[in-house]
Amino acid sequence: SAVISQKPSRDICQRGTSLTIQCQVDSQVTMMFWYRQQPGQSLTLIATANQGSEATYESGFVIDKFPISRPNLTFSTLTVSNMSPEDSSIYLCSVDQPQGTDTQYFGPGTRLTVL
Amino acid sequence: SQQGEEDPQALSIQEGENATMNCSYKTSINNLQWYRQNSGRGLVHLILIRSNEREKHSGRLRVTLDTSKKSSSLLITASRAADTASYFCATGKAAGNKLTFGGGTRVLVKP
Repeated sequence: SAVISQKPSRDICQRGTSLTIQCQVDSQVTMMFWYRQQPGQSLTLIATANQGSEATYESGFVIDKFPISRPNLTFSTLTVSNMSPEDSSIYLCSVDQPQGTDTQYFGPGTRLTVL
Repeated sequence: SQQGEEDPQALSIQEGENATMNCSYKTSINNLQWYRQNSGRGLVHLILIRSNEREKHSGRLRVTLDTSKKSSSLLITASRAADTASYFCATGKAAGNKLTFGGGTRVLVKP
């Protein structure tokens, strides 16, 4: 399976600031996904990031709040902008790997606390 | 309610017992995947079962899928304290797909 890393692993931020989360994969992948897991809740898909095109956002999530970059086939970033305490969550990236198997593997997550 | 509802929400068993949890979903799917999450950390992939499959095994794990009832079950046999975790089902509607997660089942295995 793919090895996925995320940076930072955790952070504590002040409201009104922004945080960029990085996701790195050890092999090339077509699709990368960003999920949010609010405290005590399940995972909700934020957006799908394809290399070379704009990210596709799910209902309830907008690019101004969660801008995503996908500069190449092994890397993506998610920015949480103008943060409020409601943004306190674990943010996880995942990849569809190996391609064609439909199995999705997840990174270790970034635990964000907004004060 | 969202695609992928899990039952029960929480389960407490003794070490050595079997643990069974269920997942129901609403729309047609391409595949269903089960994950484990320890203490709010990353998700560990357990098993993927496709819509044309009925049962799969992996070690002490057994997954069934009933597409007519739109439900799946995960059985952990001979549970261990290390199996204590939250378990999530996630459905994929198409190949190369985004997943929709169920609410999860918190399993506590007491030594």
